[in-house]
Amino acid sequence: TQLLEQSPQFLSIQEGENLTVYCNSSSVFSSLQWYRQEPGEGPVLLVTVVTGGEVKKLKRLTFQFGDARKDSSLHITAAQPGDTGLYLCAGAGFNDYKLSFGAGTTVTVRA
Amino acid sequence: KAGVTQTPRYLIKTRGQQVTLSCSPISGHRSVSWYQQTPGQGLQFLFEYFSETQRNKGNFPGRFSGRQFSNSRSEMNVSTLELGDSALYLCASSFNGPANTGELFFGEGSRLTVL
Repeated sequence: TQLLEQSPQFLSIQEGENLTVYCNSSSVFSSLQWYRQEPGEGPVLLVTVVTGGEVKKLKRLTFQFGDARKDSSLHITAAQPGDTGLYLCAGAGFNDYKLSFGAGTTVTVRA
Repeated sequence: KAGVTQTPRYLIKTRGQQVTLSCSPISGHRSVSWYQQTPGQGLQFLFEYFSETQRNKGNFPGRFSGRQFSNSRSEMNVSTLELGDSALYLCASSFNGPANTGELFFGEGSRLTVL
C-alpha cells in the first residue's frame, strides 16, 4: 500500500489543454516535493512546498500544498509536448531521513 | 559539478546470484539514499546513509544491504536474487539528507534483470 496515492495513473491530453495531478495521503508531511522523470533518467526535482496552504507557481506549473499538509496538487496550464513524463510526488517525514513516493502519474501531451 | 554516477547501468543476473551496485554522489554530499523502482510499485525506499551510518531502512528483506564509505560513495548488495528483484535501482544524493526541504539528486539508475 502506497503512503501517497496519486491520481490519475495515466493522463493523455492534447497540446494546449490544462491538466491537474493529485497526490493524497492520510499522513501529515513536513514538506512535499514534486519530481518529473523522463525515460532512461532519474527523477528531477520541480518544487518543494513546506507550508500548509502554500501555492507555488513555476511558469505554467502551479503547485498547491493542502492546509493540513496531507495532500498536494500539480496543475499545468497550456500543456506542451515537453511536459510529457512521469510526475512523482514525495512526502518528507519528520526527521526520519526518507522521502515516501507516490506511484506516479504518466502524462502524455500530444502535439 | 558532476552529477550522481551509478554503475553499472544495466546488468543481467540469474536467480540465486548476488549483485553489487555502486553510487558516487555529488561532491560534498554526505547523504545517499537508495530506491527500487518498478512499474507497479513506484519508488520504494531501501535505505539512507549519512557519514557511513545507516539512518533509516525500508521494508525490504535482509537480502538487501548497503554501506557507505568515508568518501561518501555507497554500494548496495542484493544476495540470492529472485525474479521479483528485477527493477531500476536509483541512488540519490543530498547534502544533509531527505528530510524537510532537502532536495534529492538522482542518478540514472542501474537496471537489473533477473532471469
